[in-house]
Amino acid sequence: GESVGLHLPTLSVQEGDNSIINCAYSNSASDYFIWYKQESGKGPQFIIDIRSNMDKRQGQRVTVLLNKTVKHLSLQIAATQPGDSAVYFCAERRMDSSYKLIFGSGTRLLVRP
Amino acid sequence: NAGVTQTPKFQVLKTGQSMTLQCAQDMNHEYMSWYRQDPGMGLRLIHYSVGAGITDQGEVPNGYNVSRSTTEDFPLRLLSAAPSQTSVYFCASSSGIREKLFFGSGTQLSVL
Repeated sequence: GESVGLHLPTLSVQEGDNSIINCAYSNSASDYFIWYKQESGKGPQFIIDIRSNMDKRQGQRVTVLLNKTVKHLSLQIAATQPGDSAVYFCAERRMDSSYKLIFGSGTRLLVRP
Repeated sequence: NAGVTQTPKFQVLKTGQSMTLQCAQDMNHEYMSWYRQDPGMGLRLIHYSVGAGITDQGEVPNGYNVSRSTTEDFPLRLLSAAPSQTSVYFCASSSGIREKLFFGSGTQLSVL
């Protein structure tokens, strides 16, 4: 069954604040993690990824943190904007599953003006 | 730059009908895959292909067939549609099985 999950199904933040979306995984054999953003009626869009030999990776306004000790992944969005409102999915690639991506169920981010 | 193109965007079928969801990519990606997305659930892998002529099953392959005769195209066939196949279907591709996926815009399928 699914082992990639999210702690909060819906996250509401004030515009301009920072957002943190969390994700737990249970398979220590996973070597690659990825975050996708999905806006209503659209396909998932790549945000940022991280390999298991890293703890942190930064992009434009986004940072992904990986804590392998507790099998936890987080996505931080700085200065959240209305355009960030979407559903965010984490996914893990398991080396013992033919490298297939396993997705979590998603967190909806709502940005209040 | 089209990326991953899926057709149709919407489709309504009656139980027992067959149809093919089309997927094409213009990025010369070797890896292609099909996912279904249901409310409250993450994306679930149906079938995937690591190159032309090669396909394999994902997590939920029953009721679906695929083929990969060219690098560009990866159609998904429903042989006898069932209400349980009502879902949103996404095609995705990547340059390799260990690389990030690029998704199409999806096909919303309803089976009555």
